[in-house]
Amino acid sequence: DAKTTQPNSMESNEEEPVHLPCNHSTISGTDYIHWYRQLPSQGPEYVIHGLTSNVNNRMASLAIAEDRKSSTLILHRATLRDAAVYYCILREIRGSYIPTFGRGTSLIVHP
Amino acid sequence: NAGVTQTPKFQVLKTGQSMTLQCAQDMNHEYMSWYRQDPGMGLRLIHYSVGAGITDQGEVPNGYNVSRSTTEDFPLRLLSAAPSQTSVYFCASKQQFGGGEQYFGPGTRLTVT
Repeated sequence: DAKTTQPNSMESNEEEPVHLPCNHSTISGTDYIHWYRQLPSQGPEYVIHGLTSNVNNRMASLAIAEDRKSSTLILHRATLRDAAVYYCILREIRGSYIPTFGRGTSLIVHP
Repeated sequence: NAGVTQTPKFQVLKTGQSMTLQCAQDMNHEYMSWYRQDPGMGLRLIHYSVGAGITDQGEVPNGYNVSRSTTEDFPLRLLSAAPSQTSVYFCASKQQFGGGEQYFGPGTRLTVT
């Protein structure tokens, strides 16, 4: 599987935008980029995914580099509830794919 | 929909004991999987199933058994518990082949003494 690289941790202030980077230099043309997050003491939850174009939903935006070797999850206005571990995962478009998770980025939000 | 449910929430076992962690989903998802998460680590895939009667191994299958007799249920069996199996266990399901988001249960926190 193609691997992803994320910073171990990032910090933000409440109400400010947060940009969480992910490098995936060995991504293949058939890999989707998925983001999940895990709040303390909970199971992971889906945030957003994309293939080539930037994507927006009610939780976040996903900006994908033109060469697809990196992507950025954007939280437009961080809240205390956004403090979580964020996982960037590549998912093959074909095959019986079950995601595997790395250590992710631990986001700390300061009031 | 209840989504993905797991029981029990907490469990303490002695070394050598066996037990079954239960997982059920009511979304008619074909794919189900089990992960374990050790402190400060990401999730590691134990076993997964692509449909009733079909299971396969993930990254860390040793010491665990699974079966999938129905679409709804995917129990995880610890055959002879060891302290190294102390972890939080998450069950997940997703709808279809290749695509779709995964839905996770709330987790079972297992301690083996």
